Amino acid sequence: GAGVSQSPSNKVTEKGKDVELRCDPISGHTALYWYRQSLGQGLEFLIYFQGNSAPDKSGLPSDRFSAERTGGSVSTLTIQRTQQEDSAVYLCASRITGANVLTFGAGSRLTVL
Amino acid sequence: KNQVEQSPQSLIILEGKNCTLQCNYTVSPFSNLRWYKQDTGRGPVSLTIMTFSENTKSNGRYTATLDADTKQSSLHITASQLSDSASYICVVSGGYSSASKIIFGSGTRLSIRP
Repeated sequence: GAGVSQSPSNKVTEKGKDVELRCDPISGHTALYWYRQSLGQGLEFLIYFQGNSAPDKSGLPSDRFSAERTGGSVSTLTIQRTQQEDSAVYLCASRITGANVLTFGAGSRLTVL
Repeated sequence: KNQVEQSPQSLIILEGKNCTLQCNYTVSPFSNLRWYKQDTGRGPVSLTIMTFSENTKSNGRYTATLDADTKQSSLHITASQLSDSASYICVVSGGYSSASKIIFGSGTRLSIRP
């Protein structure tokens, strides 16, 4: 597609439930990033996929968070047993190999009640 | 520790006025610095990219400067418009393949009042 597409745009869930957030990067972009942005805060790195290499998971805050990228394209971020502190906007970005610019999606706003 | 500090945290100016946003960083080794604009409810969008050898780069009414010696950058907005109201994020890369080297500042929230 023309840009990075994320869904859902908004998700309200109850504490303890699992959620899945989807990112569809720009076609041909080999690098994909997930970030978390809490209200009034900067972007917090979560995970990074580059081609067929093992992902960099160093930013995942706990083992309740996981992500996968199937076929080098669409990525899913899964949060298990959600907590209220997980409430944030989850941003996905993609980048073509060799480029310096990240193209961001509009984000998925997660609210955990 | 790799850090990116932005100031001010928030700023309110009248339409038509100029303003300057600041970014100080300690990321090393340095690869490039980018300014992003993030409108409310949207993802960040790149405004400028600057490498070590570049001192100034303009994009319309936006002009970014970089002093790699003092590790400071600024974003100057000229003749502000209501549509400039957004968060401006300074992002510094210490490499081009490691995600952990892409460090985001917490942003400056700019509000333009008519």
